[in-house]
Parts: sequence; C-alpha cells; structure tokens
Amino acid sequence: AQTVTQSQPEMSVQEAETVTLSCTYDTSESDYYLFWYKQPPSRQMILVIRQEAYKQQNATENRFSVNFQKAAKSFSLKISDSQLGDAAMYFCAYRRAGANSKLTFGKGITLSVRP
Amino acid sequence: NAGVTQTPKFRILKIGQSMTLQCAQDMNHNYMYWYRQDPGMGLKLIYYSVGAGITDKGEVPNGYNVSRSTTEDFPLRLELAAPSQTSVYFCASTPEEYYGYTFGSGTRLTVV
Repeated sequence: AQTVTQSQPEMSVQEAETVTLSCTYDTSESDYYLFWYKQPPSRQMILVIRQEAYKQQNATENRFSVNFQKAAKSFSLKISDSQLGDAAMYFCAYRRAGANSKLTFGKGITLSVRP
Repeated sequence: NAGVTQTPKFRILKIGQSMTLQCAQDMNHNYMYWYRQDPGMGLKLIYYSVGAGITDKGEVPNGYNVSRSTTEDFPLRLELAAPSQTSVYFCASTPEEYYGYTFGSGTRLTVV
C-alpha cells in the first residue's frame, strides 16, 4: 500500500521569506501523480500544485514550486515570498496512474506566517 | 459554476441517530469520493464511485453507506451514529485520475 509521510507537524516562516515543506512517499509504481493541497481556516481544500512522475521538470505555480526527487521518493513544496494568506495546513497527496486510483494523503503540516 | 456542493455545513447528532450527508457536483465528473478528516490524521477515504451505479469501499467504510444513482449526486449515509464518527467530512470529484480533486467545503459532524 502507498503511504505518504509528512514528518513535520508544524512550521513557521517570517513574512516575505522562503519556506520548504517536506513530504516523502512509498510506492512500487513508476507512474503516478503527486499533489500539494492547502487548507486555510475556512476548511476549504485548495489544490496548490501537481507533479507528474514521468516529468523530470519540477512543477511551478507562481510563488509555489516543488522539488521532486523520484529516486528518493521525495516531494517538497517551496513557498517563496511568504504572505500572511499562506498560513494554513498543507497536505501532500499521492495517486498512482491508472483506473480506480485514489488520492492518499499525508497527515498534514500547519504553516504559520509571522508578520 | 457551483463545483462541489455539500450540505449541511454543520450538524450535531445524538448517538444512534441516522443522517445523510449530501454531495452534488455540476461538472459532469465521473469520479466522486467521500473522505473524513480527523485532527492530526489527514484525510481517510470512506467510499468512492467511478460512475453512476458503481460504488466501492475505501479505507474506513464501516458505519457508512453510499449510493450513486446519478452522475451529479453522491450522498453518504450514516446509520446508528457513534461518537467515533465525529469528524469533518469532505466530498470530492475529478474528471480523470490524473487531475487533482475538486473538494466541497466540508461538513462538520459531532455525535454526542
């Protein structure tokens, strides 16, 4: 079974600084997808970024980028120029390619942003 | 475009009561899911559906039932509510497996 591990329960960053959230996963598959979701206090789950395992290039979405290390099974999220609105819980998630696959989530990390 | 709509947003149940959490999406997505979120535990899959008339169990299905009579609707039924079912419930959908999910806003359920 696939597992997703987020070992840091909490992190803090100064506004305008950069922070990296860690995620590792365990799978025997070679083709899969990885995601980062943001959950602000409103509780809404928001897709931040997505990475396809067969693509070597790291995904980027504005201030959010990932460091995808397939051999190490590592998928970290870097937030640049942190803003107060980035304060939220962040979940890493994995989904194998193919029919009937489902997202498996990590336990999440709570990010606070200091003004 | 409403996306995924969940109702109610909050509910308090007494032990042994039953209720249905509603989920509807207007994006014509084939795949729909129910997750529960407990503090410090991430999201756990309860049930999922790959299309109308097809449902299957996820990781934590005990105490729940689902149906999928239309593409749009995927209700989750709680029978004989127990305190262990106190949680936040999320419904989600996706058109294909390589996309991320679109989530509803969640239902906070408390069983007392």
